[in-house]
Amino acid sequence: AQSVTQPDIHITVSEGASLELRCNYSYGATPYLFWYVQSPGQGLQLLLKYFSGDTLVQGIKGFEAEFKRSQSSFNLRKPSVHWSDAAEYFCAVGGFGNEKLTFGTGTRLTIIP
Amino acid sequence: GAGVSQSPRYKVAKRGQDVALRCDPISGHVSLFWYQQALGQGPEFLTYFQNEAQLDKSGLPSDRFFAERPEGSVSTLKIQRTQQEDSAVYLCASSPDRAQFFGPGTRLTVL
Repeated sequence: AQSVTQPDIHITVSEGASLELRCNYSYGATPYLFWYVQSPGQGLQLLLKYFSGDTLVQGIKGFEAEFKRSQSSFNLRKPSVHWSDAAEYFCAVGGFGNEKLTFGTGTRLTIIP
Repeated sequence: GAGVSQSPRYKVAKRGQDVALRCDPISGHVSLFWYQQALGQGPEFLTYFQNEAQLDKSGLPSDRFFAERPEGSVSTLKIQRTQQEDSAVYLCASSPDRAQFFGPGTRLTVL
């Protein structure tokens, strides 16, 4: 069975500081990995995705993520956060021939001045 | 271009009522998905369509839940005899290939 673990329920970061959100997955084959962001009352916006190839992927809004197969991880990073990055972040896993996504429980990001 | 749209955005139902939630996918997207998101949780898969064919309905929690996409475009998720535990946000996503693009969701509250 596939699963995603986001160990941090809530993270608080100062504006301008760097950010790393953790994601560990379990999947029996080569995974497809995704990060989504959800603002209050909104749907999910795709930040970035990994299917194959270069393990460091760039996304929108200055985010990047690195796929590490040996650690079953796909952590999200941003060098300098902005107040507008405050939101809920979800990591998700799927795979070839397995179109449904399995999501983690999310990490809520708070930005302080 | 237009994204995925869902209607209504909010629905309040009395326990035992039937509800119908609509999803308009991005034009040309072959795949369509429904997810249920409980408060404070990540979305959970309900069902998946490729064109008009429902290929996976393993996530539907009971036979009170029914989804259709008769012409391979708009989809409707129907919940019969709603229960309080059905209260959640119902998210629709469409996909041209492997990445899924989500609508704003319908927040269902069952009283």
